[in-house]
Amino acid sequence: AQTVTQSQPEMSVQEAETVTLSCTYDTSESDYYLFWYKQPPSRQMILVIRQEAYKQQNATENRFSVNFQKAAKSFSLKISDSQLGDAAMYFCAYSAGAGSYQLTFGKGTKLSVIP
Amino acid sequence: SQTIHQWPATLVQPVGSPLSLECTVEGTSNPNLYWYRQAAGRGLQLLFYSVGIGQISSEVPQNLSASRPQDRQFILSSKKLLLSDSGFYLCAWSRLYGGSKTEAFFGQGTRLTVV
Repeated sequence: AQTVTQSQPEMSVQEAETVTLSCTYDTSESDYYLFWYKQPPSRQMILVIRQEAYKQQNATENRFSVNFQKAAKSFSLKISDSQLGDAAMYFCAYSAGAGSYQLTFGKGTKLSVIP
Repeated sequence: SQTIHQWPATLVQPVGSPLSLECTVEGTSNPNLYWYRQAAGRGLQLLFYSVGIGQISSEVPQNLSASRPQDRQFILSSKKLLLSDSGFYLCAWSRLYGGSKTEAFFGQGTRLTVV
């Protein structure tokens, strides 16, 4: 069974600084997808970034980027120029290839942004 | 564009009462539909998913059931609620697009409190 581990229950970052959230996963699949979701206090899950395992290039979305290390099964999220609105729970998620319907989530990292 | 609607936003129900949470998706056809539960301070647990009308897969044995009476409608039900059913329930959809899997898009969630 696939598992997703987020080893940092809580983190904090100074406004305008950079922070990296860690995620590791365990799978025997070669084709899969990885995601980072943000859950602000409103509790709606918002997709931050996605990465297809077959792509070697790390995904980037504005101030958000990932460091995808396939051999190490690591998928960290870097937030640059942190803003107060980035404060939220961040969940790493895994989904096997096109034939799978499940998303497996980590337990989340609570990010606080200090003004 | 696609949208997902989930209601009600909050619900307080007595133990032993029935439950019906509804989720509808607009702007797409034949989506994969999901019900997740998020207990306080924890990640998301997949409860049910559906790949088509009348097709329901259960991931966790529980007091709940799901139905998909129409292509873009997904309902979470219970005949008799338990205290342990309290939590935050999220509906989501995803689909295959051009052979690639899209990420899951979430509704705004229902906070259920069983008293």
